[in-house]
Amino acid sequence: KNQVEQSPQSLIILEGKNCTLQCNYTVSPFSNLRWYKQDTGRGPVSLTIMTFSENTKSNGRYTATLDADTKQSSLHITASQLSDSASYICVVSDRGSTLGRLYFGRGTQLTVWP
Amino acid sequence: EADIYQTPRYLVIGTGKKITLECSQTMGHDKMYWYQQDPGMELHLIHYSYGVNSTEKGDLSSESTVSRIRTEHFPLTLESARPSHTSQYLCASSKTTGDEETQYFGPGTRLLVL
Repeated sequence: KNQVEQSPQSLIILEGKNCTLQCNYTVSPFSNLRWYKQDTGRGPVSLTIMTFSENTKSNGRYTATLDADTKQSSLHITASQLSDSASYICVVSDRGSTLGRLYFGRGTQLTVWP
Repeated sequence: EADIYQTPRYLVIGTGKKITLECSQTMGHDKMYWYQQDPGMELHLIHYSYGVNSTEKGDLSSESTVSRIRTEHFPLTLESARPSHTSQYLCASSKTTGDEETQYFGPGTRLLVL
């Protein structure tokens, strides 16, 4: 069973609207959680990283939240643009640096329509 | 934009052929990785390397092999391609800052074995 579950699997929104993507994980021990954006035909690009003590982090129109107690994270996209159309992947690390292993979610496929 | 490159970007090949997927990075990173990703599915780690002459198998069993003779180069080889090898292959390298390891992904190679 995948230890990182994302929802929804896919989402269609109109340009300019906001949306929120969810990530639930069971990975333990927890080191950090990253959100990646993967454009079609490209490799993933890191958007945000949060450690246990952080509960929110922003990167432009992207805001990630983390509740380490309930093991949930969300990625909020504000004022969506056509270029936001991509797959958004939640990745959890179980240990810092050298010995850490990464657990990948299957991603949420976001489509922004004009 | 990460300085990590993969060639070819797309490859269509017949069953039984030997293929090598190239990956190179100019960031001087010691750690490099190969992932396999099917559409709508999570990334699976198939090989990794912590430095020159160091290679390890990942979580997903793979019939491919890798080598790490130079820091910047991490090629993946399939001795005899089969249709089951059809997938996207992503190469990544990473650096560690404090306790945070950031992975940078290449654009991927989409492989189709007929």
